[in-house]
Amino acid sequence: DGGITQSPKYLFRKEGQNVTLSCEQNLNHDAMYWYRQDPGQGLRLIYYSQIVNDFQKGDIAEGYSVSREKKESFPLTVTSAQKNPTAFYLCASTLGGLNIQYFGAGTRLSVL
Amino acid sequence: AQSVSQHNHHVILSEAASLELGCNYSYGGTVNLFWYVQYPGQHLQLLLKYFSGDPLVKGIKGFEAEFIKSKFSFNLRKPSVQWSDTAEYFCAVKSGSGTYKYIFGTGTRLKVLA
Repeated sequence: DGGITQSPKYLFRKEGQNVTLSCEQNLNHDAMYWYRQDPGQGLRLIYYSQIVNDFQKGDIAEGYSVSREKKESFPLTVTSAQKNPTAFYLCASTLGGLNIQYFGAGTRLSVL
Repeated sequence: AQSVSQHNHHVILSEAASLELGCNYSYGGTVNLFWYVQYPGQHLQLLLKYFSGDPLVKGIKGFEAEFIKSKFSFNLRKPSVQWSDTAEYFCAVKSGSGTYKYIFGTGTRLKVLA
């Protein structure tokens, strides 16, 4: 089945710890995205990548980092600099710049 | 900067009632418009889209939306809702020229009472 796989489903972070959220797609899509979803705030863009080895900051990139070494993978690291990381994180992809976004099931991150 | 406004944050309807969810955007150029739906415990998925052509677009499950360029609006409608339409609905906009960036509204939580 083609799709986007996010792991883990639930993640807990300790103070001062960096954690990495995985996003893998087998849709052969070029562009990949990371969003943060908070109640009442909709989806806010963290980072996006149009092609391998290239990515751009979104609206709320501070405290996050990404890499795009392979077309199918776009991991997101939530660093210790992100002071309010508790949220639902969604990964998405599109084929080119004009098409529909497909979403993963999400990772819920909480702070211990 | 582009922005998307969804004015209804929470909507409660009885089954068979009609639904209209508002979406307004701010961008003067060509836009691609989307409504996405997130059913409880499920992936966010596309409900319908507008790229060009007929401003009245039909989506899955009996939903439709109308693009009114003069009002910068893309409201979602359904004549008769069902309990299974209980979900969160998001409007999204993408500039039609070159950018890969999508802007989402804050979402509307719809609860349909059986």
